[in-house]
Amino acid sequence: AQSVAQPEDQVNVAEGNPLTVKCTYSVSGNPYLFWYVQYPNRGLQFLLKYITGDNLVKGSYGFEAEFNKSQTSFHLKKPSALVSDSALYFCAVWRTSGTYKYIFGTGTRLKVLA
Amino acid sequence: AAGVIQSPRHLIKEKRETATLKCYPIPRHDTVYWYQQGPGQDPQFLISFYEKMQSDKGSIPDRFSAQQFSDYHSELNMSSLELGDSALYFCASSPSGTSGSDEQFFGPGTRLTVL
Repeated sequence: AQSVAQPEDQVNVAEGNPLTVKCTYSVSGNPYLFWYVQYPNRGLQFLLKYITGDNLVKGSYGFEAEFNKSQTSFHLKKPSALVSDSALYFCAVWRTSGTYKYIFGTGTRLKVLA
Repeated sequence: AAGVIQSPRHLIKEKRETATLKCYPIPRHDTVYWYQQGPGQDPQFLISFYEKMQSDKGSIPDRFSAQQFSDYHSELNMSSLELGDSALYFCASSPSGTSGSDEQFFGPGTRLTVL
């Protein structure tokens, strides 16, 4: 079965420090992986995706993620966190068998402290 | 740039009533997805449409139905509402059918409260 795990419910980081939000996946074949961010009472906003090609993917707002096939991970990173990065982050994998849909992780709340 | 539009933004209904949620995708996007997000939960896929035809179905209750119209807007109809239907309902659109390679563009959501 295809699944996504975000092992941390919440991540706290000081402003200016690097941040990492973890995501691991279980999927057969080549995964399509995505990161979305959700601010309070807002819809999800796309940050970045990995479809194929370079393992290091750069996205919006200075975020990047590294696809690691051997560790089945797709961790989201940013070199220097901003208070405005505080939000709920969802990792998702596109399911390519059966129902075509996103499988979302449970979300990680990022809190950047001033 | 145009975004996905959802209406209404907030809706309050009584148990056993019906509700209709509307979604207007980004122009030239041919695929619409509906999601339900309960408090503190990740979005759950309900149903999707590609070129006005239902393409996939997720965990959508039989009390719910949806369709996509000729102008590509979509409506989610919910009948016999239950307290547990209280949630944020998102619509998303994408330009690439169900290939999955393109990101989805989410609307702001409709917050449904069932009393």
